[in-house]
Amino acid sequence: DAGVTQSPTHLIKTRGQQVTLRCSPKSGHDTVSWYQQALGQGPQFIFQYYEEEERQRGNFPDRFSGHQFPNYSSELNVNALLLGDSALYLCASSASYEQYFGPGTRLTVT
Amino acid sequence: GEDVEQSLFLSVREGDSSVINCTYTDSSSTYLYWYKQEPGAGLQLLTYIFSNMDMKQDQRLTVLLNKKDKHLSLRIADTQTGDSAIYFCAESPNTNAGKSTFGDGTTLTVKP
Repeated sequence: DAGVTQSPTHLIKTRGQQVTLRCSPKSGHDTVSWYQQALGQGPQFIFQYYEEEERQRGNFPDRFSGHQFPNYSSELNVNALLLGDSALYLCASSASYEQYFGPGTRLTVT
Repeated sequence: GEDVEQSLFLSVREGDSSVINCTYTDSSSTYLYWYKQEPGAGLQLLTYIFSNMDMKQDQRLTVLLNKKDKHLSLRIADTQTGDSAIYFCAESPNTNAGKSTFGDGTTLTVKP
């Protein structure tokens, strides 16, 4: 049984560009959450998707948007990239109170 | 808003017990979690406890919850060098693990 998978593993972008990160949840999980983890800090909740709708959102600007597909996979889009968006982006899937994380996508903005 | 605090570093000798502490502020926290993160990797769910429990044991791991003081601890018995990692405490008010708030992690170093 494959766990949570994310792509790409690493990404380098320039300020002002846009980026799309992808996540496939663990089999049987219908809820996907995205987190941003800056170096030396804990993950910060961005938003959560369930039944193709954004169900909850953290304190992130509208430049961060997402989507969930009928097969429960999800995308995170970030527009107008800033240097401060450089971080590890983690996707997590859950079906109840247990949340499982993918390996993350390391985004570097130059 | 919600806040989760952890001490930053802990160093122990192999074979000793490790105790990692965490405090949280949200009274509505329903689920409290411990995750492990190794260098360059995502987070691994280690264990969790419901807010109506005081203790949970899972092999070498023991979680203690003092709800009155909003204090959570993770004890690792017989700590091994492979336990060296960053340990994160997290809380969620929701039944679906949504909108979890994390601490900044405790770096555990196990010396041989």
